[in-house]
Amino acid sequence: NAGVTQTPKFRILKIGQSMTLQCTQDMNHNYMYWYRQDPGMGLKLIYYSVGAGITDKGEVPNGYNVSRSTTEDFPLRLELAAPSQTSVYFCAGGSRAGGLYEQYFGPGTRLTVT
Amino acid sequence: TQLLEQSPQFLSIQEGENLTVYCNSSSVFSSLQWYRQEPGEGPVLLVTVVTGGEVKKLKRLTFQFGDARKDSSLHITAAQPGDTGLYLCAGARAGNNRKLIWGLGTSLAVNP
Repeated sequence: NAGVTQTPKFRILKIGQSMTLQCTQDMNHNYMYWYRQDPGMGLKLIYYSVGAGITDKGEVPNGYNVSRSTTEDFPLRLELAAPSQTSVYFCAGGSRAGGLYEQYFGPGTRLTVT
Repeated sequence: TQLLEQSPQFLSIQEGENLTVYCNSSSVFSSLQWYRQEPGEGPVLLVTVVTGGEVKKLKRLTFQFGDARKDSSLHITAAQPGDTGLYLCAGARAGNNRKLIWGLGTSLAVNP
């Protein structure tokens, strides 16, 4: 199993451009998450999903959109990129093992908006 | 307001030394997880503790959950350069286990 995969690994965007960050998991996780990680600021939850067709906002959803049409895929869309969206983005899959919602992360996408 | 406070924020030690890092809160958690993140990589789950007072060991790493389930500690014995990384704690609150509360992490450097 590959676990959680993310593409691209790096990307540079100009202000106002749009892009989609891809996330795919082959672990049959019902739960999936998108985080951003800024230096010294920890992990901030952007959006999450508890199953195909169900998504919900996290702490910092403004400027982002998600969809969950299948169990495997959870893409994150940036419509009008802004410098404040420069960050490292992590996708995670969640497993409810014995009532515990443990999370398994992808390798991240490093995004720079200039 | 950070619900999970981790200390110290930074730690630089020599190979072979012992260390303890802390994860503290005024809130009660139904479970608490520890992750390690290496530069350029995503966090990797190390352990989950559930019961107040629980102690779990993972080779040279010892994890403890406080009796009141408000805090946790990670003790590393005889640290090695391979232990270098950012150690993150994350708590799940009763009734809302789907979203974790994250600490800001302790950045550990073990020098050979």
